[in-house]
Amino acid sequence: GAGVSQSPSNKVTEKGKDVELRCDPISGHTALYWYRQRLGQGLEFLIYFQGNSAPDKSGLPSDRFSAERTGESVSTLTIQRTQQEDSAVYLCASSLDAHGNQPQHFGDGTRLSIL
Amino acid sequence: GESVGLHLPTLSVQEGDNSIINCAYSNSASDYFIWYKQESGKGPQFIIDIRSNMDKRQGQRVTVLLNKTVKHLSLQIAATQPGDSAVYFCAENMSGAGSYQLTFGKGTKLSVIP
Repeated sequence: GAGVSQSPSNKVTEKGKDVELRCDPISGHTALYWYRQRLGQGLEFLIYFQGNSAPDKSGLPSDRFSAERTGESVSTLTIQRTQQEDSAVYLCASSLDAHGNQPQHFGDGTRLSIL
Repeated sequence: GESVGLHLPTLSVQEGDNSIINCAYSNSASDYFIWYKQESGKGPQFIIDIRSNMDKRQGQRVTVLLNKTVKHLSLQIAATQPGDSAVYFCAENMSGAGSYQLTFGKGTKLSVIP
């Protein structure tokens, strides 16, 4: 497809389990971003990748959160030992580059529910 | 977490009327601004952007106005349609400083009355 693709679209899991969320950016987009959106709220920046540069992890809320990206393709966001407060929509976005004056294009997110 | 987000500002507009959604941004150094539309169950969708060397930009049925003096951004939607019902977010960025980060506003919920 032409847009950002995320999977799964919904994930329900028990507290304490690990989850892995996937993002396929738009082809040719070198920058990739992960955000968290709690119910009825705005977007909270988590992590950013640009090409082969070191990722900016400054938004990750705890060491239970990690993300990887292979080159300029797929990224995975992993949450270990999930807690109920992790319940949210996790959104991925990509942009042509990271010069800041390019719009970020979003996927539809993964809705994560921790029981 | 904050509960203020559960009480999003809401704008109700009659179908066919024009809508104006406002946003006060925080950083006077911001030089790039974007409006996003988010429908229920979907990710934010890019609508229109504007750079700080402009004060107005038009798209299809939408116009963005930028007032740098008072750090205010607005989105005007002409002839509002039921499909325009969504939450609208403004976002700002300091591209001139080499920043890639977008800072998002809290959002405004637009409800179109048929």
